[in-house]
Parts: sequence; structure tokens; C-alpha cells
Amino acid sequence: GAVVSQHPSWVICKSGTSVKIECRSLDFQATTMFWYRQFPKQSLMLMATSNEGSKATYEQGVEKDKFLINHASLTLSTLTVTSAHPEDSSFYICSASSWSAGRTDTQYFGPGTRLTVL
Amino acid sequence: KQEVTQIPAALSVPEGENLVLNCSFTDSAIYNLQWFRQDPGKGLTSLLLIQSSQREQTSGRLNASLDKSSGRSTLYIAASQPGDSATYLCAVTNYGGSQGNLIFGKGTKLSVKP
Repeated sequence: GAVVSQHPSWVICKSGTSVKIECRSLDFQATTMFWYRQFPKQSLMLMATSNEGSKATYEQGVEKDKFLINHASLTLSTLTVTSAHPEDSSFYICSASSWSAGRTDTQYFGPGTRLTVL
Repeated sequence: KQEVTQIPAALSVPEGENLVLNCSFTDSAIYNLQWFRQDPGKGLTSLLLIQSSQREQTSGRLNASLDKSSGRSTLYIAASQPGDSATYLCAVTNYGGSQGNLIFGKGTKLSVKP
């Protein structure tokens, strides 16, 4: 139980284009979803927290107009990287939590999406 | 500002050895501490979660300890196996912080050789 999927698993795009990454909770309703970014040999860094039906809360230094987050349903959150640049190339990981999945202090992580911007 | 450090950055051991991974954090006012496993190009799997009031947690061959006052945690892996090869991440949640605010270390990359 408590499975989180991400799509796509990897994507290559040209600079200036937009990329959408999906995060789905497959067997539970995720009231809260989180988006992280991991650069090579660096720590995972929280980018934003989204609650279903509400606007996402972004961490300091994360541009909300560049990284658009939508959490329109209890099983789906999307991250859109707008006008992507090579410096946005990273590993993006989502996680989800909910009382229905277990304790609220447990986050269930997706497998991640490798974004490469040329 | 909370900072999490993991030592060593990489570790290679022969199969069957017992090993210890270290994690330290600068602010002892934590809500909990978690150890995760990350396989190459994959997401994270939670291994153990220790609440701030606890001293240790055990799951199978894994034992995690927490000394909040000194800002340290260790992950002990007994009788290591090649399948244990992965990157191990330590993360803390600050007391009073939001649930999502896991602060991660950079990880220890473990290689267990047959």
C-alpha cells in the first residue's frame, strides 16, 4: 500500500520549453503532496508543499511563477517547469501523505523524474 | 538554520560486515529523524523513523539510534548484503516545522561487495 508514481521517469527538452511532471498516489488519497529537487551529489531540497484544492506554499528561493504546482485532486499533483533552462536540469521527486495512508508524519515518495534541459 | 551532515560520503565493505552510518544535525530541537534508502535513479524508501522522545528503532538487520542532545544519529546495519548497496539518507523535521520540511543530508553511498 501507499504507492506513489511519477510520470515521466525521465525527460529531455530544449531550453525555453515547458515540462509537466505528474505525481499520483495510486492507492490512497493524498491530502498533501510535496515536491523536492535533488542536484547531483546534493541533498534533496523541498521546493513546495501543496494541499488539495489550495495554492501551493513555496520554499524560500523557489520561483512560484517558474515552477507551477497544481493539486486539483486527492490523487494527482503536477509540477510544470516553465521556460526551462539548463540550470533546471535536476532530479525531481514528489511525496505524498494522508491519514488514509497511515501516519501523517510519514511521506511516501515517488520514483522521481530526471529532467535534462539542453 | 538546521544543517544535516552525513559521514562518510561513501563506504565500501565486504559482504557480511557490520557497519555504522553517521548523521549529525546542528539544531537539537527536532520533531523526528528518519533514515531513508535511495537506489540509483529511484525515489526514497523510508527505513526507520525515530521520534524525538525515542532513543532507537529497530527493523530487521537495521538499528537506528538518536542522541538528540548531541545532535547525532547512527544507522547500524548488521551482516551486510550486496542488496544493501544504495545511498542512505538521513532527514530531520524541526520541532514546530511543517510536516513537509524534511531537511536531508547528502547521504552515504554504500557498496557491499560479494
